[in-house]
Amino acid sequence: AQSVTQLDSQVPVFEEAPVELRCNYSSSVSVYLFWYVQYPNQGLQLLLKYLSGSTLVKGINGFEAEFNKSQTSFHLRKPSVHISDTAEYFCAVTRIIQGAQKLVFGQGTRLTINP
Amino acid sequence: DAGVTQSPTHLIKTRGQQVTLRCSPKSGHDTVSWYQQALGQGPQFIFQYYEEEERQRGNFPDRFSGHQFPNYSSELNVNALLLGDSALYLCASSHLTGGLYNEQFFGPGTRLTVL
Repeated sequence: AQSVTQLDSQVPVFEEAPVELRCNYSSSVSVYLFWYVQYPNQGLQLLLKYLSGSTLVKGINGFEAEFNKSQTSFHLRKPSVHISDTAEYFCAVTRIIQGAQKLVFGQGTRLTINP
Repeated sequence: DAGVTQSPTHLIKTRGQQVTLRCSPKSGHDTVSWYQQALGQGPQFIFQYYEEEERQRGNFPDRFSGHQFPNYSSELNVNALLLGDSALYLCASSHLTGGLYNEQFFGPGTRLTVL
């Protein structure tokens, strides 16, 4: 079975400061990894994904993440955050079985940007 | 393109009642997945529908059932509602392409409150 652990439930940072949101996963097989963002009263939007290839993945809104197989981590980073980045962030893994896939999400990290 | 749409936006029910939530997938998509997101938690996979059949199911009781129509839209039905069923219900659609990764696009969700 796969599982995802987001190590911080809340992360407060000041505007224009760097941020890292941590994610660890467990799986006995190769997985695909994702970060989603959820703004208040909205659904989930895909920030970035790791399927294969380069371990450094760049996404939308200036976010990037690094896949580390030995540490089973997929941490999300942004060098300089903006007030508009205030949202809930979810790390997820998926596995495809006979063409059907389901996403397994972490508990989420609430990112709060202070001016 | 309207993206994934869900109705209703909000719903209030009492314990023991039944509820039906609806989802229209993004244009060109043929697969619909449903997720339950309890307050302060990450989304949990309920089930996935393709070609009007349930392809994969998460750890939810039989009170949760679904249906997919020939136009690919989907319904989620929950019988004998419990207080613990209060959550945001998210629908995600994708286009199935063999065993390859298919990005899931999420709707805004339906907020269900059980009193």
